[in-house]
Amino acid sequence: SAVISQKPSRDICQRGTSLTIQCQVDSQVTMMFWYRQQPGQSLTLIATANQGSEATYESGFVIDKFPISRPNLTFSTLTVSNMSPEDSSIYLCSVWGTGLTYEQYFGPGTRLTVT
Amino acid sequence: AQKITQTQPGMFVQEKEAVTLDCTYDTSDPSYGLFWYKQPSSGEMIFLIYQGSYDQQNATEGRYSLNFQKARKSANLVISASQLGDSAMYFCAMRNNQGGKLIFGQGTELSVKP
Repeated sequence: SAVISQKPSRDICQRGTSLTIQCQVDSQVTMMFWYRQQPGQSLTLIATANQGSEATYESGFVIDKFPISRPNLTFSTLTVSNMSPEDSSIYLCSVWGTGLTYEQYFGPGTRLTVT
Repeated sequence: AQKITQTQPGMFVQEKEAVTLDCTYDTSDPSYGLFWYKQPSSGEMIFLIYQGSYDQQNATEGRYSLNFQKARKSANLVISASQLGDSAMYFCAMRNNQGGKLIFGQGTELSVKP
């Protein structure tokens, strides 16, 4: 398994500002994934972050809005830029399990409210 | 394209009874994995169980079992002996083993009655 922590756990932000969410994993992982869950909806992948390379964004998500850093194999950040109320969501980071496993685990999530 | 379908927006079950949550999927990839997650009101996504497309036996984890019917492309979750703490949203998900992208269904909200 993998133990994942996220900071902050929740925040209330003013529109037009930016928030950086941190994700820390207890073991080295190649890929880290960032997901968004809008209220009452399912999860949608924002981007995949590999250490040492640019993040790969899914359709509908752009780097200017959601810049991602991946400075090492256990840490990543997601910034939500120039926020609007539509960005109010739960943001979750995720990794594959370590060792010979296909399991995938999620952090506890960051609950963001934009006013 | 890959797709996951959960047709039950909400389900009720009596405490201590078993319940089946439905999930069907569509993919043209021969190698893939199927997942179930539990999401309580706190928002965290709790991994429950995994089934690989080449696994011969249905996966089991404690009170959770996955009824995998490959020809029908279904991967239903069975929860035995339901408990009040099982009340939550349950998501079925799929990932092909090349891309690593996890695709989710719309979820089923399970309520366990005392």
